[in-house]
Amino acid sequence: SQQGEEDPQALSIQEGENATMNCSYKTSINNLQWYRQNSGRGLVHLILIRSNEREKHSGRLRVTLDTSKKSSSLLITASRAADTASYFCAPNSGYSTLTFGKGTMLLVSP
Amino acid sequence: DVKVTQSSRYLVKRTGEKVFLECVQDMDHENMFWYRQDPGLGLRLIYFSYDVKMKEKGDIPEGYSVSREKKERFSLILESASTNQTSMYLCATSKGHSNQPQHFGDGTRLSIL
Repeated sequence: SQQGEEDPQALSIQEGENATMNCSYKTSINNLQWYRQNSGRGLVHLILIRSNEREKHSGRLRVTLDTSKKSSSLLITASRAADTASYFCAPNSGYSTLTFGKGTMLLVSP
Repeated sequence: DVKVTQSSRYLVKRTGEKVFLECVQDMDHENMFWYRQDPGLGLRLIYFSYDVKMKEKGDIPEGYSVSREKKERFSLILESASTNQTSMYLCATSKGHSNQPQHFGDGTRLSIL
């Protein structure tokens, strides 16, 4: 399995602002998954986007995928303090295993 | 919803002890995984299992073993605990198909003194 690289490493915004995180990967994928991890807890799956999809929405989350650039972005609109967490991408090349990067640490201040 | 339960949230053991970390899932998932997570290193895969009694080494299997006698339970064993195994351990599961997301437990924060 291949590892995604999240960028930026850390992001600090105010409540109500939008947060954008990016993910780059190296080889072709079947899908790309985004996860959230609150401090001291396990990861929670947020959204899966398939290689033939360009955009996907789930509530305040919007994920885009550009396979030509081998990159994805996660946009959280109207951020809340409860969105404070680390966010990880996991590009999946068709294996059952996933390799997680170091994540983007998002801090949303009231 | 999938429920993945790890037996302890916090655990303190001594060097040289044999340590068992247990993970139980209730959704009949074929795949189960053990990761450790350390600051600056991210999540690293220790072992995984895609069926009962089957196991595969991940990226960092040294010093660990696993057991999967029943489909719902996947145990991680530290044969002789050492201080460099102090870490957060996370269990995850997924359905058999390779494109399925993983579902995580809340983790066990293990300290080896």
